[in-house]
Amino acid sequence: GAVVSQHPSRVICKSGTSVKIECRSLDFQATTMFWYRQFPKQSLMLMATSNEGSKATYEQGVEKDKFLINHASLTLSTLTVTSAHPEDSSFYICSARTQGGNEKLFFGSGTQLSVL
Amino acid sequence: GESVGLHLPTLSVQEGDNSIINCAYSNSASDYFIWYKQESGKGPQFIIDIRSNMDKRQGQRVTVLLNKTVKHLSLQIAATQPGDSAVYFCAENLLDTGRRALTFGSGTRLQVQP
Repeated sequence: GAVVSQHPSRVICKSGTSVKIECRSLDFQATTMFWYRQFPKQSLMLMATSNEGSKATYEQGVEKDKFLINHASLTLSTLTVTSAHPEDSSFYICSARTQGGNEKLFFGSGTQLSVL
Repeated sequence: GESVGLHLPTLSVQEGDNSIINCAYSNSASDYFIWYKQESGKGPQFIIDIRSNMDKRQGQRVTVLLNKTVKHLSLQIAATQPGDSAVYFCAENLLDTGRRALTFGSGTRLQVQP
C-alpha cells in the first residue's frame, strides 16, 4: 500500500520555540494532506487541510498563525508549531490522500510533541 | 452536529474468539466509512472500508457491516489474536463539506487475553 512518512517521530522542545513536522508521500502524489492532533486516550481531531500550491484550510478553533502549514510540493507538507506552549504537547498525525477513482487515505506514523 | 461515536470504550476478548466493535454515525449523507487500527504511539492503519451502496464487505479475518437504516457500522474480527490488541476507530467521509476529510469516532480499545 501507499506509504506516508512523518518526521520526526518524537520531539521535545522548550516553551517558546518552534517545531517543524514533515509529512511525505513516498510513492504517490498527494494534492491534499490532512493534519490531525490526538490527545491521550482521545480520538483524532482534524486541525487543517493542506492543499498543494494554496493556503491551508483550518478547522474552527485552530490558530492558523500558530500552526503554520506549507504544502509546497505534491509529496511534502509541513506543520510548524510556533512559539510552542506546554498545552501544545500532543500527538500530531498527518495523512495523505491518493488520487484517482479509488481514493484512500493513508496516515503517517505520528509525531509526539512534548513542550517543556 | 455530525458525529461518529462508539458504544463501547473497551472490549476484552479471549484469544481465538470473534470480536465485534460497533460504531454509530449521525450524518445520513456520509457515503464512505473506514475502520482503522491504531497501536500505541503509531498512526492509524487502514483495515477495511465500505461504501454506502454496500451493506457488507469482507477482508482477511475482518468483516465490516453497514446498516444505513439505523446508521450503524460494525467491525468483526474472526479468531482474534494478541496482535489485534489496539484501539479501533471508525471514520466517515463527510461529503457534504466537500473537503473529503475524515471524522473519527471516539475509539474502542480491544484487549485480547491469551
